[in-house]
Amino acid sequence: EDQVTQSPEALRLQEGESSSLNCSYTVSGLRGLFWYRQDPGKGPEFLFTLYSAGEEKEKERLKATLTKKESFLHITAPKPEDSATYLCAVQENYGGATNKLIFGTGTLLAVQP
Amino acid sequence: EAQVTQNPRYLITVTGKKLTVTCSQNMNHEYMSWYRQDPGLGLRQIYYSMNVEVTDKGDVPEGYKVSRKEKRNFPLILESPSPNQTSLYFCASSSGAGPSSYNEQFFGPGTRLTVL
Repeated sequence: EDQVTQSPEALRLQEGESSSLNCSYTVSGLRGLFWYRQDPGKGPEFLFTLYSAGEEKEKERLKATLTKKESFLHITAPKPEDSATYLCAVQENYGGATNKLIFGTGTLLAVQP
Repeated sequence: EAQVTQNPRYLITVTGKKLTVTCSQNMNHEYMSWYRQDPGLGLRQIYYSMNVEVTDKGDVPEGYKVSRKEKRNFPLILESPSPNQTSLYFCASSSGAGPSSYNEQFFGPGTRLTVL
């Protein structure tokens, strides 16, 4: 069964303390892997799309990387405003047709000043 | 302003009373989806639509219906709501540009539904 697993479930960092969030996936073929940020009471906000192993994307203090089995979201020198739940999602590549999007359960990040 | 709107934002109803949650996007996007979010289960896709009159089931379609008669609108219909459909619902849209139909997917603000 296709699966997306995120770890850790929760992470507490001090301001400026860099770390990484993990998203591992099992699909027969990857069409796209996505990272979102979700603030309490709001809809997810798109951050990155990754398509193939070795690809990297950056935005401010965030950098997403992709291998054949997992993706990492690296957070460099985080600030309190980076506190949020970070979600990973995967679209399977199956016969070239549009397919379902499968989400992980997220990592709740808290950055303390 | 590019946005996805949902109405209502909050709804309390009773078992069996048909309801519709509306979703509209102003970005001329081809792809639209509905998701529900539950504690410990994360976001799960209910239905998605690739274009007008083209829809398909996601992971949890039971008890839901959708229609896509216009490109901008994608309502979610609960014909006979039950308490296990109490959840936070999100509508989303994306242009479908690039290799993935979900690239740069925009989410609405959410609809919190309680079925008594």
